[in-house]
Amino acid sequence: GAVVSQHPSRVICKSGTSVKIECRSLDFQATTMFWYRQFPKQSLMLMATSNEGSKATYEQGVEKDKFLINHASLTLSTLTVTSAHPEDSSFYICSAVDGGKAASYEQYFGPGTRLTVT
Amino acid sequence: KQEVTQIPAALSVPEGENLVLNCSFTDSAIYNLQWFRQDPGKGLTSLLLIQSSQREQTSGRLNASLDKSSGRSTLYIAASQPGDSATYLCAVIGGFKTIFGAGTRLFVKA
Repeated sequence: GAVVSQHPSRVICKSGTSVKIECRSLDFQATTMFWYRQFPKQSLMLMATSNEGSKATYEQGVEKDKFLINHASLTLSTLTVTSAHPEDSSFYICSAVDGGKAASYEQYFGPGTRLTVT
Repeated sequence: KQEVTQIPAALSVPEGENLVLNCSFTDSAIYNLQWFRQDPGKGLTSLLLIQSSQREQTSGRLNASLDKSSGRSTLYIAASQPGDSATYLCAVIGGFKTIFGAGTRLFVKA
């Protein structure tokens, strides 16, 4: 149980285009999902927290107009990188909290999406 | 502001050796602490989750301890194997805020 999937696993796009990454909880309802970014050989940095049906909360320094987050259902959150540039190339990882086990604060992580902007 | 530090940053050991990875955090008001493994270019694999009321958790050759008062956690790996080679991340969970350490890159030589 507690499986989180991400799609796509890898994506290459041209500079100036937009890319959408999906994060799905497969066997539980995720009231809260998180988006992280990881640069090579560095740790994960939280970008934003999204709650189903409400606006995402972005961490300081993260451009909300560039990284659009939508959490329209209890099993799906999307991250759209708008007008992507080479510096947006990174590994993006999502995580989800099981709404039925929220008190444990345990997050289940997706396998990540490698974005390369050329 | 919570800060998480992992020492050492990198470690190379011969196969069979027992080893300890360290994680320290500055704010003891945490809910949980979680250890992850990350292989190159891959996502995170959860190894052990220690709730704030617990002192340690064990899974196979892995044992993680937590001392909230001193802001420390250790991950003990017994009888290391080449397949244990990976980056190990410590994550401190304060409610829904998770702060990751920079990780320890482990290489186990055959």
